[in-house]
Amino acid sequence: EDQVTQSPEALRLQEGESSSLNCSYTVSGLRGLFWYRQDPGKGPEFLFTLYSAGEEKEKERLKATLTKKESFLHITAPKPEDSATYLCAVQDFGNEKLTFGTGTRLTIIP
Amino acid sequence: DAGVIQSPRHEVTEMGQEVTLRCKPISGHNSLFWYRQTMMRGLELLIYFNNNVPIDDSGMPEDRFSAKMPNASFSTLKIQPSEPRDSAVYFCASRQGHEQYFGPGTRLTVT
Repeated sequence: EDQVTQSPEALRLQEGESSSLNCSYTVSGLRGLFWYRQDPGKGPEFLFTLYSAGEEKEKERLKATLTKKESFLHITAPKPEDSATYLCAVQDFGNEKLTFGTGTRLTIIP
Repeated sequence: DAGVIQSPRHEVTEMGQEVTLRCKPISGHNSLFWYRQTMMRGLELLIYFNNNVPIDDSGMPEDRFSAKMPNASFSTLKIQPSEPRDSAVYFCASRQGHEQYFGPGTRLTVT
């Protein structure tokens, strides 16, 4: 059974203070690892898909990286508008389901 | 594109009543997913459809839950009878390729 564990559960940073969120996963064959952002009262918003170890993707202040066991979402010089819950999910080969972690709630303090 | 559309956005009902949640996927997307999100269990897949056909409903908690997709642009999730433990946010997502795109959700409260 696919498993996804995210840490920390919550993270408070000062504006401009860079950090990383972790997503550890167990899957028999990784088809893709997905990062989503969720704002309160809204649906998850797609950010990135990573397919193989060593792959990196960037979008504004966010960079996602992938190894064979975990993914990191690096946030560089965050701004208050980056405050949200960040969700990680994996998809197994031969299975169209996404298995989600419980998320990291990120708060950026001005 | 308007994105995935869900209705209603909020639903408050009494235990035992029937609840119907609605979803319109993004045009051209051939897969549709229904999820439930709670604080305790996070985001859980209930059922998904490919080309309007139910593929996997193993996440549907019990027979009180049913889902249909009569055509490519509409799906419903029905709970009958509803119970307080069904209170959650229900999301619909559609997909073309690998990425799923989520709707805004329906917040269901069963009293």
